[in-house]
Amino acid sequence: SQELEQSPQSLIVQEGKNLTINCTSSKTLYGLYWYKQKYGEGLIFLMMLQKGGEEKSHEKITAKLDEKKQQSSLHITASQPSHAGIYLCGAPNSGTYKYIFGTGTRLKVLA
Amino acid sequence: DADVTQTPRNRITKTGKRIMLECSQTKGHDRMYWYRQDPGLGLRLIYYSFDVKDINKGEISDGYSVSRQAQAKFSLSLESAIPNQTALYFCATSQEYNEQFFGPGTRLTVL
Repeated sequence: SQELEQSPQSLIVQEGKNLTINCTSSKTLYGLYWYKQKYGEGLIFLMMLQKGGEEKSHEKITAKLDEKKQQSSLHITASQPSHAGIYLCGAPNSGTYKYIFGTGTRLKVLA
Repeated sequence: DADVTQTPRNRITKTGKRIMLECSQTKGHDRMYWYRQDPGLGLRLIYYSFDVKDINKGEISDGYSVSRQAQAKFSLSLESAIPNQTALYFCATSQEYNEQFFGPGTRLTVL
């Protein structure tokens, strides 16, 4: 079965620093979604990537899907305390009608 | 108003009690999902429904049942709650195989 592995599991950065979170799939991705979850709350959809090499940006967050469509990265530029939370990647599970999710990366930004 | 709502937001109950968690959506999506989230285990799919007459088990359906009362409503029941069902429960919706939109979550504690 397909799995999504995220790294790092947790991250603490000083405000203003850049950071990158990775999501690696055990199989080819047919779509990759990034979500943000504030502690104890629901998931907020950030971005969707579908094509190999695709890159999308929203405010200070940029997500990329590699050419082979097995890895995605989420990059935050000049982090702020408002970026703190748990970032999860999700994808349609190849061969099924279900979604799978990574276990999340917990981000803390120190002011 | 939120597109995906869940009630209750918090619930404390005792072992053996029957519990129902409700989810409503105003997005007009055909697909609805129930997940549970546990620390270190990420999101796990309990049940999913592609329309009112199409309900499917997810990876951890034992001890749970669901009802799709209408396109906009999907409820999750725990017939006889047990302590290891203590978790954060999320409802989500999607239009076909596109990105999922999540409710705010229900924090359930079974004593």
